[in-house]
Amino acid sequence: RKEVEQDPGPFNVPEGATVAFNCTYSNSASQSFFWYRQDCRKEPKLLMSVYSSGNEDGRFTAQLNRASQYISLLIRDSKLSDSATYLCVVNSGYSTLTFGKGTMLLVSP
Amino acid sequence: EAGVVQSPRYKIIEKKQPVAFWCNPISGHNTLYWYLQNLGQGPELLIRYENEEAVDDSQLPKDRFSAERLKGVDSTLKIQPAELGDSAVYLCASSPNVEDTQYFGPGTRLTVL
Repeated sequence: RKEVEQDPGPFNVPEGATVAFNCTYSNSASQSFFWYRQDCRKEPKLLMSVYSSGNEDGRFTAQLNRASQYISLLIRDSKLSDSATYLCVVNSGYSTLTFGKGTMLLVSP
Repeated sequence: EAGVVQSPRYKIIEKKQPVAFWCNPISGHNTLYWYLQNLGQGPELLIRYENEEAVDDSQLPKDRFSAERLKGVDSTLKIQPAELGDSAVYLCASSPNVEDTQYFGPGTRLTVL
């Protein structure tokens, strides 16, 4: 089983739609969790950290379920500019980040 | 503030040739990382430096890959000799300290023919 698993997509949604991505991780000792965004042929950039209590940043909401070892990202009111690959990232200790393969989102007019 | 700088941005070489990548982290960032990203995959850590010390190089293929960060600032990653399977994007990232957010450079896209 891979350490961090994501559905690669692509998820094709119209503008204004709500879309959710899930990610599972295998190491129950993982301490911190993140979502990174990567545009085509660009570097990954931190989108948001994921906290146990859940957290929101504008149209983006991240949730963590430690018992089930999954992380989710919800995007409301999708914009064309949200089209990108979303990487689920887990810090499993010793400050080593483990990245999932990413989920591709395509938002169409 | 300048971000992480990498050069070259693109490199095409023939197999068995050597190649080197350079990274200049964000000023003041003590921790520097080299990642490898294959198409359709997430980045995978190759080596992590805290200042000039390589503290995690367990995933670095040491038979052909080497890295250095002599003065604890910029870093080079070298492959000698390169193999076809080394074609990938090599990303450098830095963070103020090991527990802080990592900022990635634009990467070097290596093609080995």
